Amino acid sequence: DAGITQSPRYKITETGRQVTLMCHQTWSHSYMFWYRQDLGHGLRLIYYSAAADITDKGEVPDGYVVSRSKTENFPLTLESATRSQTSVYFCARSSEYNSPLHFGNGTRLTVT
Amino acid sequence: AQRVTQPEKLLSVFKGAPVELKCNYSYSGSPELFWYVQYSRQRLQLLLRHISRESIKGFTADLNKGETSFHLKKPFAQEEDSAMYYCALMTDNAGGTSYGKLTFGQGTILTVHP
Repeated sequence: DAGITQSPRYKITETGRQVTLMCHQTWSHSYMFWYRQDLGHGLRLIYYSAAADITDKGEVPDGYVVSRSKTENFPLTLESATRSQTSVYFCARSSEYNSPLHFGNGTRLTVT
Repeated sequence: AQRVTQPEKLLSVFKGAPVELKCNYSYSGSPELFWYVQYSRQRLQLLLRHISRESIKGFTADLNKGETSFHLKKPFAQEEDSAMYYCALMTDNAGGTSYGKLTFGQGTILTVHP
């Protein structure tokens, strides 16, 4: 158990809909991250957070919004889903800046 | 900006053969390098990191700063090693801006045939 839970595991939505992917850690680690996984691109960082109420953009933030009102939760929202956002999304946590990341099981999102 | 390159998308070997997954990086500071493994439809798991110099599941990786490489090696591949392998780089925290972000390579799918 990596101490980090993502929900849902699978989601199908339509173009233009808003969808939120949930991420919850059972620890109280400061750092949390959202990555998307696409063949040929590896994992690309969408957003990250150093603490509650502190978030910043990663490599591919366009079309996504995050919040971190509580240390344990780091939801990712697609404001108006597009087909290009079909991907597998991974949330991760780490205890300090140079610690390994621990990943959740991922959410497979399909936008039709 | 930092960059990680894994030149092989696919790598196939037979059981018992040596395997080497290549990773090259580009970064001007002091990098930390990691290898993560993802078995079929599972979460990414840390395999090893260069500062620990451990051997996990028979895999080793040596950081070569001259060649900016961090290749993953195993002398005798097993069928259960079949998975996706990602090389990842963590930048140093100069200026306090790293936040422990990882930059990943494109990944290499390793298939070990019986």
